[in-house]
Amino acid sequence: GAVVSQHPSRVICKSGTSVKIECRSLDFQATTMFWYRQFPKKSLMLMATSNEGSKATYEQGVEKDKFLINHASLTLSTLTVTSAHPEDSSFYICSASPGVTSGNTIYFGEGSWLTVV
Amino acid sequence: QKEVEQNSGPLSVPEGAIASLNCTYSDRVSQSFFWYRQYSGKSPELIMSIYSNGDKEDGRFTAQLNKASQYVSLLIRDSQPSDSATYLCAVALFGNEKLTFGTGTRLTIIP
Repeated sequence: GAVVSQHPSRVICKSGTSVKIECRSLDFQATTMFWYRQFPKKSLMLMATSNEGSKATYEQGVEKDKFLINHASLTLSTLTVTSAHPEDSSFYICSASPGVTSGNTIYFGEGSWLTVV
Repeated sequence: QKEVEQNSGPLSVPEGAIASLNCTYSDRVSQSFFWYRQYSGKSPELIMSIYSNGDKEDGRFTAQLNKASQYVSLLIRDSQPSDSATYLCAVALFGNEKLTFGTGTRLTIIP
């Protein structure tokens, strides 16, 4: 079945540095991927829509210059957290869908735990 | 404002009983409805999707949708300890993969 993979699953970085998280669709192409953030015991909050070959669409309140999204191919989107701060520590999850052929079923990556120290 | 609301729980159900999870949504134009299960520290896993009014059954799971009441529910029959997790209700416009999630209901199955 369709699989979405994220890497790394866990990352610790120092405050002020940048960290990149990758999201790959392993056996289908995805023109659109989504990035979510989830704080402990909270629900998933959509951060942005990643569009292949064009700029990402960010949700209200999400800083586009801080959370850089690149969707360079139909199977890969990356989220870069720039100048990370401890408050950016969270669980970041991507999702993608093969589209209408799969009934628009949406698959999530395994998630990436970011800890900023 | 688009919202999806769930009772945060925790909801405790004896093993073998039926667990009933509820969700309401505010955007009337929503067409796609999903239930995800999320274990602590893990990514959400799709349990059920439903698009039409009525019931949809898959094994021990039944999703119920009532668009007039803007209400979607999930029933889990013969609850097992492995069903203990947080259940997230999610809503989307048809063909729109952008999901709006509820806050989730923590379900605990008591052996």
